[in-house]
Amino acid sequence: QKEVEQDPGPLSVPEGAIVSLNCTYSNSAFQYFMWYRQYSRKGPELLMYTYSSGNKEDGRFTAQVDKSSKYISLFIRDSQPSDSATYLCAMSSNDYKLSFGAGTTVTVRA
Amino acid sequence: GAGVSQTPSNKVTEKGKYVELRCDPISGHTALYWYRQSLGQGPEFLIYFQGTGAADDSGLPNDRFFAVRPEGSVSTLKIQRTERGDSAVYLCASSSAGGIEYNEQFFGPGTRLTVL
Repeated sequence: QKEVEQDPGPLSVPEGAIVSLNCTYSNSAFQYFMWYRQYSRKGPELLMYTYSSGNKEDGRFTAQVDKSSKYISLFIRDSQPSDSATYLCAMSSNDYKLSFGAGTTVTVRA
Repeated sequence: GAGVSQTPSNKVTEKGKYVELRCDPISGHTALYWYRQSLGQGPEFLIYFQGTGAADDSGLPNDRFFAVRPEGSVSTLKIQRTERGDSAVYLCASSSAGGIEYNEQFFGPGTRLTVL
């Protein structure tokens, strides 16, 4: 079993819909939680970072961490075609060694 | 400012050959990381440098893989006796520091290695 599980999708939604992404994990030592966006043939770029449990909002993006359930989520409101990408969850216990999920491919249809 | 750059962008080699992959981090970043991303998977940690020294090389899969950062800036990932299973995108990232608080890792575009 992988340390971080993420449904690879693909996920296809109409423009303006809410995109809901999630990951589960098994390592209770994880305390740093991140979401990265990766476009084709590019490196991942950081979208959201949360330390420990709780919610964080940044514009159209909301990240949630539930350490008791070992479950993290990312919500994208009012999705746009430019949001079409692969979304990777990542987490760490020591702030340098990131453990990534497999990534979910999202397509937002115009 | 310039981001993390990696060269070459693509490398095709034959099984058994030696390859070197180069990473130029963001200027002033003391921490540097290498990850490997296989098709359809997320990046997998290989090694972490703080300055010139490898602070954690626990992700290197075997002794065919080696990385250096002699002057605390540019890093080279070296793979000996390449195997077809080494085919992947090798990503480099850098951050302003490692340590207690999280410091964002900025990723380069990667080197796509294909071993025939």
